[in-house]
Parts: sequence; structure tokens; C-alpha cells
Amino acid sequence: SYILTQPPSVSVAPGQTARITCGGNNVGTKSVHWSQQKPGQAPVLVVSDDRDRPSGIPERFSGSNSGNTATLTISRVEAGDEADYYCQVWDSGNTRVVFGGGTKLTVL
Amino acid sequence: EVQLVESGGGLVQPGGSLKLSCAASGFTISGSAVHWVRQASGKGLEWVGRIRSKVDNFATAYDASVRGRFTISRDDSKNTAYLQMDSLKSEDTAVYYCTRAVGYWQRFDIWGQGTLVTVSS
Repeated sequence: SYILTQPPSVSVAPGQTARITCGGNNVGTKSVHWSQQKPGQAPVLVVSDDRDRPSGIPERFSGSNSGNTATLTISRVEAGDEADYYCQVWDSGNTRVVFGGGTKLTVL
Repeated sequence: EVQLVESGGGLVQPGGSLKLSCAASGFTISGSAVHWVRQASGKGLEWVGRIRSKVDNFATAYDASVRGRFTISRDDSKNTAYLQMDSLKSEDTAVYYCTRAVGYWQRFDIWGQGTLVTVSS
């Protein structure tokens, strides 16, 4: 079955840029979505279809996807960005949704 | 306000059953697929299954871990989707979320707040 691999944790200082990767076999041929989840809350979509931002999501959040790696980039990181981030794809061959294992973003 | 609200969670014994509901307000679910996603305490998100819309014949799909035990249904007249869980196991203990999926690549643009299911004797 299809697997998405994320680093368990990423740390960054306020004002710096955080990059969270999501690796998968030829993931560049799929559309990747990214969700943010803060403790005790439901996930929130922050980037869809590789690089689109839903309404209300700051421009600081951006995405890219090519080859075997998709990347969520958060510019000018703020304390409020501290959360778990999950990548997600639709595995049409197996008719299922696949999530990455999640990455905990820590703002130093 | 656009929202999904899950209900029906609780404590159930192993081997028991539980039915969760996912009620939509502020929008209609009739044209969209609805998915269920769960999250065990301290763990990541795990896809449970989905039901497509009427135009797609209400087709369902499930993760292998729940296939044959869980059933997803919907009543568009009530703007509500359901997750029937039978033969529950301790490893089914989790917060269960419903979410609306949009587009071929199934982006989850609206999530419910989740409901906790605990399977324990």
C-alpha cells in the first residue's frame, strides 16, 4: 500500500522559515493536502492540491510537490504556528486516503 | 455557520456496537463525499472510510482494519452521515472525526470537532 513519510519533528526559531517534507513514491503525480492540528482541536486544512491556500489561511503557508517529495513551507514562523502537520493524498489505485505520520512543529 | 457536528461517542465493551452521527449545518452534504477519520490518543490521523454522493451511487470504501465491521451511510434529507461500528475492539478506541471531501483528490475542507469512542471492559 502507498506510504507517506514525514519527519517526526521540526524546530525553528520565530521569524525563520520552516519546511516540512512528505515523501512518497512518485508523490509528484498526486495532489497533496496539508492539515494543521493544534492540541485538543480538529485538523484544519492549510494547503490543498499541492499549493492552494484555503480562504483565511495566511500567505505565509505555501506548498510544493515534485518527484518523490512534497513540502509545506511556513515563512516568518510565529508561536501560534506550533502544531502537528499532516500531509494527505488520495490513493486512487487502492481507493483510500493516506496520511503521513505527522510532524510536530516546535517554535523555539 | 458552516460546520459538522459528530455525536454518539461513548464507552462500549469489546464486541459491542456504536453508531456515530455527523450532522452538517450551514451547507448541504448531498453533493459531497463524507469521510471518517480517527485518531488514537497521542497518535496520528488514520483514515476509516468514506461514502460518495448519490450521483456516485453512494459508493463506500473502508480501511482494511475496519472493513466488514464498520458501515458508513448517509441520509441527505437529514443532512447527516453515519458510522455504524460493530464487533468493536480495544484498538478502535479513538476520537472519530467526520469530514467533507471536495474534488477528485479529496481535500478535506470541513472537519467536525470529533467524538470520543472508548472500547473497554
